Amino acid sequence: AQRVTQPEKLLSVFKGAPVELKCNYSYSGSPELFWYVQYSRQRLQLLLRHISRESIKGFTADLNKGETSFHLKKPFAQEEDSAMYYCALRRYNQGGKLIFGQGTELSVKP
Amino acid sequence: ETGVTQSPTHLIKTRGQQVTLRCSSQSGHNTVSWYQQALGQGPQFIFQYYREEENGRGNFPPRFSGLQFPNYSSELNVNALELDDSALYLCASSLTGPNTDTQYFGPGTRLTVL
Repeated sequence: AQRVTQPEKLLSVFKGAPVELKCNYSYSGSPELFWYVQYSRQRLQLLLRHISRESIKGFTADLNKGETSFHLKKPFAQEEDSAMYYCALRRYNQGGKLIFGQGTELSVKP
Repeated sequence: ETGVTQSPTHLIKTRGQQVTLRCSSQSGHNTVSWYQQALGQGPQFIFQYYREEENGRGNFPPRFSGLQFPNYSSELNVNALELDDSALYLCASSLTGPNTDTQYFGPGTRLTVL
C-alpha cells in the first residue's frame, strides 16, 4: 500500500537555523511528490512539487528514489515559516488521489 | 477569479443523522476532490469527481457519497453519521485532467457528530 510518513510531529528551530522536514514514502511505481503548507488560519496550499524542481520561499526538496524520501529543506528559517507542513504523494492513473502524511508542525522561534 | 469555497463553515449533527456539505470550485476548474481530515492527522482522500463522473474513491464506506453538477460545484453526502465522522472536510478543485494539475483547497467544513 502507498504510504507517506512524516516522522516528526513538531520541529522547533531558532530563526536563521537550517530546517529539514523529513518525508519518506512507500510506493512501488513512480510517484509524484508534493509539499503542502498550512499557515495559521489559512487554507492548505501547495508549496512545491518535485517535478517542478523549483525553490519556493527558499524551500527546496529533492526526490531520492533510492531512499524513498522527499525531505523539505531551507538553509535559514524565518519566523513566517512557522506552519503545518504536509508531504503528499500521487500515483499516476489514480484519479489524482493525494496521499498525505500526518504533517509536521514547524515552529521558528525568534 | 474566486477561490474554492465551502459551506457551511461549521456543522453539528447527532449520530444517525445525514449531512450534505457543499463546495464551489475555483473558476474554470472541472475536477473536485474531497478529503477528510481528523484532528492531528493529514487529509484522507474520500473521492474525486471529473466532469460529473466519479473518478476514484478512497477507503470510505458507501454511506459517503457525492455529486458534481454541470457548473462543477460539488456535494458530499454522509448518511447514518457516526461519532468518528467528526472531522474537517476539505474539497479541492483542479483544472483539466485529474492526473496533472495542482489541487486548490477550500477552507473546509468542520463537522461535529454528537
